[in-house]
Amino acid sequence: GAVVSQHPSRVICKSGTSVKIECRSLDFQATTMFWYRQFPKQSLMLMATSNEGSKATYEQGVEKDKFLINHASLTLSTLTVTSAHPEDSSFYICSARLAANTGELFFGEGSRLTVL
Amino acid sequence: GQNIDQPTEMTATEGAIVQINCTYQTSGFNGLFWYQQHAGEAPTFLSYNVLDGLEEKGRFSSFLSRSKGYSYLLLKELQMKDSASYLCAVTNDYKLSFGAGTTVTVRA
Repeated sequence: GAVVSQHPSRVICKSGTSVKIECRSLDFQATTMFWYRQFPKQSLMLMATSNEGSKATYEQGVEKDKFLINHASLTLSTLTVTSAHPEDSSFYICSARLAANTGELFFGEGSRLTVL
Repeated sequence: GQNIDQPTEMTATEGAIVQINCTYQTSGFNGLFWYQQHAGEAPTFLSYNVLDGLEEKGRFSSFLSRSKGYSYLLLKELQMKDSASYLCAVTNDYKLSFGAGTTVTVRA
């Protein structure tokens, strides 16, 4: 099946610093990628939809200036958590849609962010 | 908005059958997914229903009734490795909204 790779898998940073998470579709081109956040024992919450070559669409309540998304190519989307704080500590997961008519998503491995 | 409900926890014995129900009320509907998620890992795809009826795939089957806003995931011949969280997700305009997940514990 399609492969989506996410990096880094784990990152620990100090409060106030910025962290970049990469999401790559390895064997297909993804015009749309999605970024989710999952707190412990909770479901995945969609943060934003990343569209290649255009601005991301953010869900209500998600600060676009804090969570910067760049989708510069058909195989790469990045999420940058700016000025991270302990409450931003979470599991961040990206996904990419394989084909426009199925809606099926393939997920990256996830990135565990811990802000000290 | 999206409202997706599923039970929080279920426990079953190895070799048994478990049915996880999911009800949804969403603005628009393009399909319903079931995902399996082990602790600390990303979800993996199990099934996709867009039309009413039962989709069978090995030990796992998924059912959908669009008129009732209802789906279930049926796990047969349970194995210990099936202990995981099972997420019901509804797609609308190709954005997925997830339920809170059902934690299934399989006991020997």
